[in-house]
Amino acid sequence: IAGITQAPTSQILAAGRRMTLRCTQDMRHNAMYWYRQDLGLGLRLIHYSNTAGTTGKGEVPDGYSVSRANTDDFPLTLASAVPSQTSVYFCASSAGSGGTGELFFGEGSRLTVL
Amino acid sequence: GQNIDQPTEMTATEGAIVQINCTYQTSGFNGLFWYQQHAGEAPTFLSYNVLDGLEEKGRFSSFLSRSKGYSYLLLKELQMKDSASYLCAVLDSNYQLIWGAGTKLIIKP
Repeated sequence: IAGITQAPTSQILAAGRRMTLRCTQDMRHNAMYWYRQDLGLGLRLIHYSNTAGTTGKGEVPDGYSVSRANTDDFPLTLASAVPSQTSVYFCASSAGSGGTGELFFGEGSRLTVL
Repeated sequence: GQNIDQPTEMTATEGAIVQINCTYQTSGFNGLFWYQQHAGEAPTFLSYNVLDGLEEKGRFSSFLSRSKGYSYLLLKELQMKDSASYLCAVLDSNYQLIWGAGTKLIIKP
């Protein structure tokens, strides 16, 4: 079934460690996004990419980096994890950029930083 | 600042009708989305409104009034599987999605 695959599904991480969350889509969508979801808050955009080779900062980019070497993959890296980065992370994609299209989400990566 | 307001939680009875409201204050408007999210799962798209009025899609309908900064999601003939969180999101003038915190809908038999 076509869609978005995230890995790992869940991870417990010591503070200060480096972590990369993987995201792969097979829908050939141009735009990809990383969100975090915390209890009581709306989804918050971390970084986005409108097309392969370009990335942009979202609402809460500090402490995170992304790359978009090709259309399918959009990894999110935490260079030195801190407890405030404990969250559920969702990768999403859309056929076009500009935000007017439906977002397709991965199943999420639950990250706990101790 | 930009703000999306939705009730935190609502309870309804199986077979009934429920209306989930969303009010917004954003810098510009380029459309409003509703997503459904079951506990522990990914959000899935329900509807997109950019013009005023009602959009009907099966048991679900979504209404928009741009002048009032208001939308609602109407769910008819409620089923137990409709128990989920419903997320309202607005596309602002920069084409950035602003998300509400979501409304948790509990369906009772």
